[in-house]
Amino acid sequence: DGGITQSPKYLFRKEGQNVTLSCEQNLNHDAMYWYRQDPGQGLRLIYYSQIVNDFQKGDIAEGYSVSREKKESFPLTVTSAQKNPTAFYLCASSVQGSGHEQFFGPGTRLTVL
Amino acid sequence: ELKVEQNPLFLSMQEGKNYTIYCNYSTTSDRLYWYRQDPGKSLESLFVLLSNGAVKQEGRLMASLDTKARLSTLHITAAVHDLSATYFCAGPYSSASKIIFGSGTRLSIRP
Repeated sequence: DGGITQSPKYLFRKEGQNVTLSCEQNLNHDAMYWYRQDPGQGLRLIYYSQIVNDFQKGDIAEGYSVSREKKESFPLTVTSAQKNPTAFYLCASSVQGSGHEQFFGPGTRLTVL
Repeated sequence: ELKVEQNPLFLSMQEGKNYTIYCNYSTTSDRLYWYRQDPGKSLESLFVLLSNGAVKQEGRLMASLDTKARLSTLHITAAVHDLSATYFCAGPYSSASKIIFGSGTRLSIRP
């Protein structure tokens, strides 16, 4: 089955810690995305990557970092510089090109203790 | 830059009634997407509308696209409780792979 997986499903972080969220896809998509969703709110784009070894900042990149060393993987690190990281994080992928449909993973819920 | 606006943002309706969610976007776009999100879950693709006049139907939901009016609608017919969810529309950004999401419409269907 083709799809997108995210792990872990739930993640708890102490203040001052960096944590890394995993996103893997086997859809052979070139483009991948990370979104943040706060309770009752819409999606905000953190970072996106249109091809391996390249990525761009989204609307709320501060306090986050990403890498794209493999086509199928796009991990997101939430650094200690992110002051309010408690949120639901969604990873998505699509074929490359202007505005194609995105397919979403199941999400990771991050809570700062 | 594309802006996507949905209305209403909240909608409480009775089972059996019909209603429409509207999605307006600010720049020329030849495609529009609708997603569904259940509480605590991820987004699920509902409809992909790829041309002016496109109409797609799935059960009690029907989506349409009018690129000249820059408007997409999601029509709910004879609503049932299972359709309670948040619905997002999204359109392509001008030049990059990304798409822009509306704020979402939280739909609550009561018996």
